[in-house]
Amino acid sequence: EIVLTQSPGTLSLSPGERATLSCRASQSVNSNYLAWYQQKPGQAPRLLIYGASSRATGIPDRFSGSGSGTDFTLTISRLEPEDFAVYHCQQYGSSSWTFGQGTKVEIK
Amino acid sequence: QVQLVESGGGLVKPGGSLRLSCAASGFTFSDYYMFWLRQAPGKGLEWVSFTSTSGSSVNYADSVKGRFTISRDNAKNSLYLQMSSLRAEDTAVYYCARSGLAAKYYFDFWGQGTLVTVSS
Repeated sequence: EIVLTQSPGTLSLSPGERATLSCRASQSVNSNYLAWYQQKPGQAPRLLIYGASSRATGIPDRFSGSGSGTDFTLTISRLEPEDFAVYHCQQYGSSSWTFGQGTKVEIK
Repeated sequence: QVQLVESGGGLVKPGGSLRLSCAASGFTFSDYYMFWLRQAPGKGLEWVSFTSTSGSSVNYADSVKGRFTISRDNAKNSLYLQMSSLRAEDTAVYYCARSGLAAKYYFDFWGQGTLVTVSS
């Protein structure tokens, strides 16, 4: 099973700043099978990015994904107040879906 | 609009059983792979089970294999999860989710979840 490790655990930033979130896999991941989700307290996760870099429907272009192999990144170019949340990366492989432990983006 | 509404959660004793349901609307249910996922209190997300569009192919996480059964009724636009031999570590919010269209690699829409608590 592929293990995803997200860093940092918590990111403290101010609105308007740039956020860079990392997701590292224990072995190579097919880029087509890497996704990112946003989750706010008490809410279900929302798909942001699939295929490592494709934005889901309705997702603002300040969100971007990149990476390949074992290293993937979610970037939020300028944080809006509604972007403070937990972000999860997820991969598919060998008929199994696994998630990272999440990165919390909090207001500094 | 797309809706997934879970029901059937509640408090159950260890060793007990529970059946979760997920009612889908706003899209052609039979065109999508469907999933159950869960999130224990204060923890990360965990995939639980997968079903193909017809229900002929299913898969389970090792943590629930042999205890949980996923099924779907495309005529009723509904997804189910039969849970048995429940353990304290099964306590979580359970979400149903659909795949991307013809792409089972990610979850493009989630329900709001239903809480399952396993405790004596």
